[in-house]
Amino acid sequence: QSALTQPASVSGSPGQSITISCTGTSSDVGSYNLVSWYQQHPGKAPKLMIYEVSKRPSGVSNRFSGSKSGNTASLTISGLQAEDEADYYCCSYAGSSTLVVFGGGTKLTVL
Amino acid sequence: EVQLVESGGGLVQPGGSLRLSCAASGFTFSSYWMSWVRQAPGKGLEWVANIKQDGSEKYYVDSVKGRFTISRDNAKNSLYLQMNSLRAEDTAVYYCAREPGISYAFDIWGQGTMVTVSS
Repeated sequence: QSALTQPASVSGSPGQSITISCTGTSSDVGSYNLVSWYQQHPGKAPKLMIYEVSKRPSGVSNRFSGSKSGNTASLTISGLQAEDEADYYCCSYAGSSTLVVFGGGTKLTVL
Repeated sequence: EVQLVESGGGLVQPGGSLRLSCAASGFTFSSYWMSWVRQAPGKGLEWVANIKQDGSEKYYVDSVKGRFTISRDNAKNSLYLQMNSLRAEDTAVYYCAREPGISYAFDIWGQGTMVTVSS
C-alpha cells in the first residue's frame, strides 16, 4: 500500500481537461509545499512534470498545472492530447524520518 | 547533454549481493543530491535512498536500512548502490535520479537497470 493515495485510472477525450488527485496526510502533503508529479510512458523512465506543488520545469507544457488543498494535491491536464496517455505519479516530502513518499500511480487513458 | 546511465543489474539469488553504478555526465555532479528510486514489475515508484553532495548525509527507506548502502565518487561522477542480503521483494528496475535544489523532486532520471532476486 502506497503512502499517498491516487485513483487507479482516469480517462478523458482529446481537448478535455482531467484532474488527478493525490491524498496524503498532515505528515506529508499537508505539511510541506514539496509535492512533485511524474509522467511515465511504458518502458520509459519517469519525467518530472511539476515540482513544489505548482512549478513547471523548463520544457513542460503549460497544459500541465498543479495545486494543493489541505492534505490533497492535484495535477490538472488541460487540452488533452493522445501523447498524454501515460502513468502519473505524485510524490511528497514526508519529514526527516521517512523523507520521500510516492503515490501508487494513476493510468491516464485518452479516449 | 545531461545524462545518467545505470549499470550493474542482473539475476542474483536470495541473500546475495549486487552493486549498482550510475554514471553522470553533462552537469556538475558534485553539486547535487542524488537518489535511487525503484519500481517493481507492474508496480509504482518507491524512493530507496539519497546522498548529499559531499556524501556526508545519507538516508534510506526503512525496508532497505542495514542492507543497502548508497555512496558516490565525485571525482568519477558516479553514484553507487551496494545491495546486500537481497530479497525477492527487492526485484525491481532501479533508477538513479538527480535532485535539484531542496525541493525533494527528481529532475533527471537514468534509463534504469533491472535487478531480479530469484533462486
